[in-house]
Amino acid sequence: TQLLEQSPQFLSIQEGENLTVYCNSSSVFSSLQWYRQEPGEGPVLLVTVVTGGEVKKLKRLTFQFGDARKDSSLHITAAQPGDTGLYLCAGGVYFGTGTSLTVIP
Amino acid sequence: SAVISQKPSRDICQRGTSLTIQCQVDSQVTMMFWYRQQPGQSLTLIATANQGSEATYESGFVIDKFPISRPNLTFSTLTVSNMSPEDSSIYLCSVSTTTVGTQYFGPGTRLLVL
Repeated sequence: TQLLEQSPQFLSIQEGENLTVYCNSSSVFSSLQWYRQEPGEGPVLLVTVVTGGEVKKLKRLTFQFGDARKDSSLHITAAQPGDTGLYLCAGGVYFGTGTSLTVIP
Repeated sequence: SAVISQKPSRDICQRGTSLTIQCQVDSQVTMMFWYRQQPGQSLTLIATANQGSEATYESGFVIDKFPISRPNLTFSTLTVSNMSPEDSSIYLCSVSTTTVGTQYFGPGTRLLVL
């Protein structure tokens, strides 16, 4: 099992604020995935990053893969209530510890 | 992508009994997985369901407690045997496509053991 630590564990912010979620490991990954999960549903894939240093943008979400392929970050600009959910990074079948985000209108 | 359904969506069971959860995919896939999740927490991999052979279990999970079947490339079952309240959790089925690391998840089965 490859351990993926996410921080922060919980995040509660006002609508319009920016935030960053971190996913860190001591292991090197060939790829990392980010998922979002809403209550009562399974996780939904947001993005896969493959190349060290890669940056991917998905509307207001920006994902970065560390140069050494051991860490990744998710930055949300101008958060909206619809962004509320559990954000999970994963290295294949092993998932990070999770970040629960609440965006307050 | 893949569309995955799970049955039942939720159940309340008595301790000592067993529950079989079904996972159906709308296309043939090579890799199927079973996870457990406490509400609001991360996912823990139980096992990889292999078609035509025995499932591969993660540390801390054993076949006697969580027997898995994979009769074909679109279907799998997970049985939670001799249940105790500690087995109360969300059980999720997922499949992997050819894209590296990408998984698609079912909606989950919410199990409460009394």
